[in-house]
Amino acid sequence: QLQLQESGPGLVKPSETLSLTCTVSGGSISSSSYYWGWIRQPPGKGLEWIGSIYYSGSTYYNPSLKSRVTISVDTSKNQFSLKLSSVTAADTAVYYCTSGSYSNDAFDIWGQGTMVTVSS
Amino acid sequence: DIQMTQSPSTLSASVGDRVTITCRASQSISSWLAWYQQKPGKAPKLLIYKASSLESGVPSRFSGSGSGTEFTLTISSLQPDDFATYYCQHQFTFGPGTKVDIK
Repeated sequence: QLQLQESGPGLVKPSETLSLTCTVSGGSISSSSYYWGWIRQPPGKGLEWIGSIYYSGSTYYNPSLKSRVTISVDTSKNQFSLKLSSVTAADTAVYYCTSGSYSNDAFDIWGQGTMVTVSS
Repeated sequence: DIQMTQSPSTLSASVGDRVTITCRASQSISSWLAWYQQKPGKAPKLLIYKASSLESGVPSRFSGSGSGTEFTLTISSLQPDDFATYYCQHQFTFGPGTKVDIK
């Protein structure tokens, strides 16, 4: 069974770059069955899709974040990562890594989430 | 961009009640809709995909229906474990959520 685990700093200073990694276990990140993504949830608010990366290597980002987001895959480590630049307090949230199935077009596996606070 | 709305935003119900949550898309999305359940401090859990397909391991009291622009998630007999927030999702857009709490 596929499992995902986020890792990275819990505190980031304003204007700096938030960097998170998601480690995939129980399956290969190179699988053609899945795509990979990041979703966040500010405290007390709803879910916001950040971006996704597909088997082909194509990436898709939320237009509201596109200028600041990079998602990439490291096949040698079975990991994918998120970089969000020029962060502000509005980027404070729980960040989830997810996998999506091409066949059902839904995010079927989620990491436990990691809280990232932007503060000086 | 397709917008997703949900109603109601909050729903108060009792154990054993039949509960229905509605999700509407701003344009037709065929059957490409998923439903998730989220409990406080936990990651969302996929319940339904392709509008009406039950994810493996999800109790059969959960069901989904609809196509086009209007969809529903129904819990046939609400259980104590079902008090949570429910989100619909199409591609990269989530609805605002419906919180189901105890009446």
